[in-house]
Amino acid sequence: DAGITQSPRHKVTETGTPVTLRCHQTENHRYMYWYRQDPGHGLRLIHYSYGVKDTDKGEVSDGYSVSRSKTEDFLLTLESATSSQTSVYFCAIRPPGVARNEQFFGPGTRLTVL
Amino acid sequence: AQKVTQAQTEISVVEKEDVTLDCVYETRDTTYYLFWYKQPPSGELVFLIRRNSFDEQNEISGRYSWNFQKSTSSFNFTITASQVVDSAVYFCALSTYSGGGADGLTFGKGTHLIIQP
Repeated sequence: DAGITQSPRHKVTETGTPVTLRCHQTENHRYMYWYRQDPGHGLRLIHYSYGVKDTDKGEVSDGYSVSRSKTEDFLLTLESATSSQTSVYFCAIRPPGVARNEQFFGPGTRLTVL
Repeated sequence: AQKVTQAQTEISVVEKEDVTLDCVYETRDTTYYLFWYKQPPSGELVFLIRRNSFDEQNEISGRYSWNFQKSTSSFNFTITASQVVDSAVYFCALSTYSGGGADGLTFGKGTHLIIQP
């Protein structure tokens, strides 16, 4: 196992409320990622981090923010949740090494915005 | 821009048949990585294989084999003698190397493989 946990695993919330999802790793890896998975779209990159306090936007970053104050934790925040953000959210980590780019994923968080 | 196309949305075969999942990619980078992931009904994403752009050697792992062809920008995945436990959604993904950057993965939309007993 890659040593990644996500919390909560399931969440139902209402439109307009803030939501924070947490990704925690025990591997001490530098790179961490947030993806969302929607039917017919595969997985799409939201934000990523390349170190503590170093983050950048991915393909579908609108409406999301992230923070990384410790190596082991990467937080994804929906400032004001909308129904279009109903999705399954996956966190991933990437082991070090120039010749390696594979990522290992957490178990996912199923978020429903009513 | 990068793109991964998995044209087969769903494939259904009978157990013990061989099945090939197609993956076609687009990238302008000369150094890149290709991956296959498996997502069983339980929902987790399982890493299966990575292939570097400079290594066109095909790979076999038990009943699984992968055929990487740069000439056709394809990275196809074959399961030999399929089993019910192979039923899952399979994703092909692409990543480029930007000299130390974080390089997220670009995923195809996935192929839902159904193995019927």
